[in-house]
Amino acid sequence: EIVLTQSPGTLSLSPGERATLSCRASQSVSSSYLAWYQQKPGQTPRLLIYGASSRATGIPDRFSGSGSGTDFTLTISRLEPEDFAVYYCQQYGSSPSFGGGTKVEIK
Amino acid sequence: EVQLVESGGGLVQPGGSLRLSCAASGFTFSSYWMHWVRQAPGKGLVWVSRINSDGSSTNYADSVKGRFTISRDNAKNTLYLQMNSLRAEDTAVYYCAPGRGWFDPWGQGTLVTVSS
Repeated sequence: EIVLTQSPGTLSLSPGERATLSCRASQSVSSSYLAWYQQKPGQTPRLLIYGASSRATGIPDRFSGSGSGTDFTLTISRLEPEDFAVYYCQQYGSSPSFGGGTKVEIK
Repeated sequence: EVQLVESGGGLVQPGGSLRLSCAASGFTFSSYWMHWVRQAPGKGLVWVSRINSDGSSTNYADSVKGRFTISRDNAKNTLYLQMNSLRAEDTAVYYCAPGRGWFDPWGQGTLVTVSS
């Protein structure tokens, strides 16, 4: 089983700032089979990024994903008020697994 | 529009059973792998199980192996999760989602509470 570790656990930032979220895998994720999701309180998770760097339909271009192997990053270039949420990474190279999440909160 | 509607959740005693359903519409259900993912109150997402498009192959997380069974009825566009020998730690919102890899979209979920 591939274990995903997300850091930091909580990121305190102001609107307009850049957010950088990390996701590290316990072993290489084949073919960059990594996705990112956003979840707001009381809502269903929403797919942001798949294939490590491809934006899902309707996702603003301030969200970008990068990385390969065991190290992946989600970057939000300029935080909008609606971006404050919890973000999860997920690998699907083998049996799927999720990271523990990073909460992006308003500073 | 893709719609996924989970049902069947509720309060059950430890050791009991429940069957969850996920009614799908708006896409060709029989062409997609389907998954169950759960989220305990205030906690993160945990993958539970998956089934391939024709139902011939299934996989489970270690935590539910031997207790949960995933199945599907492509004629009814419905996914199921039979949960037996339920434990307190199975308490969670259970989501269904389609996908060979990433999950998109997600249903609204159904809450399962295991408590005496």
